[in-house]
Amino acid sequence: AQTVTQSQPEMSVQEAETVTLSCTYDTSENNYYLFWYKQPPSRQMILVIRQEAYKQQNATENRFSVNFQKAAKSFSLKISDSQLGDTAMYFCAFLRGNTPLVFGKGTRLSVIA
Amino acid sequence: DAGVIQSPRHEVTEMGQEVTLRCKPISGHDYLFWYRQTMMRGLELLIYFNNNVPIDDSGMPEDRFSAKMPNASFSTLKIQPSEPRDSAVYFCASSLVGRPRRSTEAFFGQGTRLTVV
Repeated sequence: AQTVTQSQPEMSVQEAETVTLSCTYDTSENNYYLFWYKQPPSRQMILVIRQEAYKQQNATENRFSVNFQKAAKSFSLKISDSQLGDTAMYFCAFLRGNTPLVFGKGTRLSVIA
Repeated sequence: DAGVIQSPRHEVTEMGQEVTLRCKPISGHDYLFWYRQTMMRGLELLIYFNNNVPIDDSGMPEDRFSAKMPNASFSTLKIQPSEPRDSAVYFCASSLVGRPRRSTEAFFGQGTRLTVV
């Protein structure tokens, strides 16, 4: 079974600074998808970014980018120019084919003014 | 599309009562998932459906939990009888998961916060 590990339960960052959230996963599959979801206090789960394992290029979405290291099974999220609205729980998730998403335990990020 | 719609958003009930949570997935999505979120256990998959058929219910904690999907636009999660330890946020999500390289992310509803007193 696939597992997803987020080793940082909580992190904080100053507004306008850059922060990196870590995620590792365990799988024997070669084709899969990785995601970062954001859950603000409203508790809505919002997709931040996705990465296809067959793509070597790291995904980027505006201030959000990932560092995908397939051999190391690592998938970190970098948030640049952090904003107060980035304060949320961030979940790393793994998807293989037509099976459900497997989530990590989450990292609570606080952006400090 | 309005997204995944869950109701109610909040539910407070007494121990022993029956609770029914409802979900309307995004039109055209062929997978529906029920997750439970708690501080201790994070996001746990309870059950998921493909084309209205339950595929894996191994995450359902006990026989007190049951889920149905009578048609492509509606699903329910029922707890009978409810217990205080069932208190959690319950999410419904849907997706269109196709062939490899066509898979998409899951879209979540806003969740139902259940409190059993």
